[in-house]
Amino acid sequence: DADVTQTPRNRITKTGKRIMLECSQTKGHDRMYWYRQDPGLGLRLIYYSFDVKDINKGEISDGYSVSRQAQAKFSLSLESAIPNQTALYFCATGTWGNEQFFGPGTRLTVL
Amino acid sequence: KQEVTQIPAALSVPEGENLVLNCSFTDSAIYNLQWFRQDPGKGLTSLLLIQSSQREQTSGRLNASLDKSSGRSTLYIAASQPGDSATYLCAVNFGNEKLTFGTGTRLTIIP
Repeated sequence: DADVTQTPRNRITKTGKRIMLECSQTKGHDRMYWYRQDPGLGLRLIYYSFDVKDINKGEISDGYSVSRQAQAKFSLSLESAIPNQTALYFCATGTWGNEQFFGPGTRLTVL
Repeated sequence: KQEVTQIPAALSVPEGENLVLNCSFTDSAIYNLQWFRQDPGKGLTSLLLIQSSQREQTSGRLNASLDKSSGRSTLYIAASQPGDSATYLCAVNFGNEKLTFGTGTRLTIIP
């Protein structure tokens, strides 16, 4: 079984809809991250959490919110999706000073 | 601003050759650096992690080096194979437990 899972893997939605992307991990890591990847721009950090009670904005948090429901679960929400949020979204986990491990990604298309 | 750069954006090499991928970063006060591989439309696979106190790390045919003073890291791939074709991403932890990514080098190994 994968250590970091993301659901859904693909999603097509319309402008203005609320969308939630979910991430679960079985690695027991305290740190969790959400990134988006756009062609030519690389991966950019949206939000990150160092433990269940800690939530921090990343480089591009506008239009997004997150919830850390448990150590193993970190969800990303788009309250009102817009077309420029079309991207590949990755969840990652890690421990202090060590490697980050990435999920398989969610491809989101906003029409 | 802390930035990570990977040049070239794309590289084609005949099978069997040794090759070097480059990564440069603007701030020498890094905590660690991680190399990833990404296949088209897929997630990121961690290849090597180098801590700031290390000069290099090896895994099989891969060797990553780190020169903090010059703000550079290289990923050396020995005896390249078609299966090595992928995008290679460099990511730097500048001490804040967040990764800053380069935009990657798309590697094609020609059979």
